[in-house]
Amino acid sequence: DQQVKQNSPSLSVQEGRISILNCDYTNSMFDYFLWYKKYPAEGPTFLISISSIKDKNEDGRFTVFLNKSAKHLSLHIVPSQPGDSAVYFCAAHLPPPMNYGGSQGNLIFGKGTKLSVKP
Amino acid sequence: KAGVTQTPRYLIKTRGQQVTLSCSPISGHRSVSWYQQTPGQGLQFLFEYFSETQRNKGNFPGRFSGRQFSNSRSEMNVSTLELGDSALYLCASSLVLGQMNTEAFFGQGTRLTVV
Repeated sequence: DQQVKQNSPSLSVQEGRISILNCDYTNSMFDYFLWYKKYPAEGPTFLISISSIKDKNEDGRFTVFLNKSAKHLSLHIVPSQPGDSAVYFCAAHLPPPMNYGGSQGNLIFGKGTKLSVKP
Repeated sequence: KAGVTQTPRYLIKTRGQQVTLSCSPISGHRSVSWYQQTPGQGLQFLFEYFSETQRNKGNFPGRFSGRQFSNSRSEMNVSTLELGDSALYLCASSLVLGQMNTEAFFGQGTRLTVV
């Protein structure tokens, strides 16, 4: 059963417009959420994160919104640029089990959304 | 500062063989996690090592194992390879920040193809 879902496998947006990538989750134990960007043949790179106690975090062109009651988060990219074309992964952090010394917990990823920004 | 280094980048193995993948974390990082990425399943957590001890484990069969050395470098091993093990294997390193970890730095991955 998928705990983190990205229901849109792909999204196409015109340059300069807003890109909105969505993510839904089911586990109330997640304590923060992250977005990663991945180009082909490269590892994912961290974009932005949000704690479960916040509802918005902004970093330049990237803003993440969290709606805890709906268990939904979204990444807004404004304005979108062709260089933003990549696969975007939503990830949720699951805290370590009790009594696990030193564990960072682990990240649970969605399956990704491929964003194409057209010039 | 060098990033996370994974070797080899590409690997082709036949069914039934075993394989060992290597990950060198960012200098100073002590936590190393491994993930498997497949088109159908996305990224899935394999295991996490810290101070040479496995601290957390995902839902993978015992054929998947790993270890961490005193210099924080980590290896993962897959024995009796199956076709379904073909995937991109990603290693991520992170600082220990109390109970919180806001970012994990990923390597470029090892692309394993099982034929």
